[in-house]
Amino acid sequence: EAGVTQFPSHSVIEKGQTVTLRCDPISGHDNLYWYRRVMGKEIKFLLHFVKESKQDESGMPNNRFLAERTGGTYSTLKVQPAELEDSGVYFCASSPRRGYVTEAFFGQGTRLTVV
Amino acid sequence: LAKTTQPISMDSYEGQEVNITCSHNNIATNDYITWYQQFPSQGPRFIIQGYKTKVTNEVASLFIPADRKSSTLSLPRVSLSDTAVYYCLVGDNTGFQKLVFGTGTRLLVSP
Repeated sequence: EAGVTQFPSHSVIEKGQTVTLRCDPISGHDNLYWYRRVMGKEIKFLLHFVKESKQDESGMPNNRFLAERTGGTYSTLKVQPAELEDSGVYFCASSPRRGYVTEAFFGQGTRLTVV
Repeated sequence: LAKTTQPISMDSYEGQEVNITCSHNNIATNDYITWYQQFPSQGPRFIIQGYKTKVTNEVASLFIPADRKSSTLSLPRVSLSDTAVYYCLVGDNTGFQKLVFGTGTRLLVSP
């Protein structure tokens, strides 16, 4: 069974440009999460989808970040325009609709560098 | 969400047992304790979860005292490949709870 897939694995863009990150969750997982780690900081929650609906977007830093999950399958996270402080590793995770164990499956992350 | 406190780093040698303790004094009645492992350049990976007493799986054991204000992740006979960051998280298990990561414990296993 394929795990959570993220691409690109790395992205280097200039300040002011736009970048779109993609996440393909495990098939059948209704829950999809975005997290990020900026340099030297802890992994922080960004938002949570249940199918195509945003359940919690309290972690989104500002309106330069836009996440979508059309059709409840893959998700994209767009940063427009990118700023230097957006550099970091962006993780996507998915989990089944509801279960006894809170096990989230993470992708390998996208390392974003804004120069 | 309950806050967790763990040692920043630990060192061990191959073949030894490693115990990582996490403090979570404000744990709520509905909260479970979950541990994740993260290797460099990878996303976190679920290891084990428990509510009370002891839980064991093929990777680790989790010991939780009666007051649940702390927990200990036990890794038996570690190998070099167990070098990673280990995170202790606390939250309910509805599947709708966002994960709150702390600084984690960086475990270094040496030959």
